[in-house]
Amino acid sequence: DAGITQSPRYKITETGRQVTLMCHQTWSHSYMFWYRQDLGHGLRLIYYSAAADITDKGEVPDGYVVSRSKTENFPLTLESATRSQTSVYFCASIPGEANTGELFFGEGSRLTVL
Amino acid sequence: AQTVTQSQPEMSVQEAETVTLSCTYDTSESDYYLFWYKQPPSRQMILVIRQEAYKQQNATENRFSVNFQKAAKSFSLKISDSQLGDAAMYFCAYRTYSGAGSYQLTFGKGTKLSVIP
Repeated sequence: DAGITQSPRYKITETGRQVTLMCHQTWSHSYMFWYRQDLGHGLRLIYYSAAADITDKGEVPDGYVVSRSKTENFPLTLESATRSQTSVYFCASIPGEANTGELFFGEGSRLTVL
Repeated sequence: AQTVTQSQPEMSVQEAETVTLSCTYDTSESDYYLFWYKQPPSRQMILVIRQEAYKQQNATENRFSVNFQKAAKSFSLKISDSQLGDAAMYFCAYRTYSGAGSYQLTFGKGTKLSVIP
């Protein structure tokens, strides 16, 4: 049971470059989320998706783009990376119905923007 | 918007002792979930315990228990018989119970727990 996987786990890039973080889940969960984790801020929601082709902004969406053409995939793209986007990024999912409340998280992707 | 506050950025506890981590939240809703997640150095987010607001009984999972005070909007985590493996960052989180777009979690800023041998 692979669950939810993120790739790459570590990425170093330069300012202005485009970066895509991948997220794949094997549970067919309806909802998927992208959070970023920064010291002193906890985890903050970037974008979420209720189903394929349905996405919505979270608390800190600026500078990010998401898509969800298939239920199992939810990539996060930084179209022109900035140093302020250096962070650890977490993908998460939850069933839309009959869920027990908690989100299931991937292992995180550490992104460094030089 | 809901907010979650963890007022203790860092705490330490002696091995085998008990420690309590504080969490308060702000909401106007009556039905919701509360969670404590543990994040060890591996970075993995691990669910420690969940509480549904309509349940008056405090949740318990082995050495972990909560003190849920709904009127005070307080949700503290007690770790008994602390072990070295309990050293981690702990996040308190809130989620509304149902409704469109409601499945997102709102997190506190975290409490870093150190366990002293």
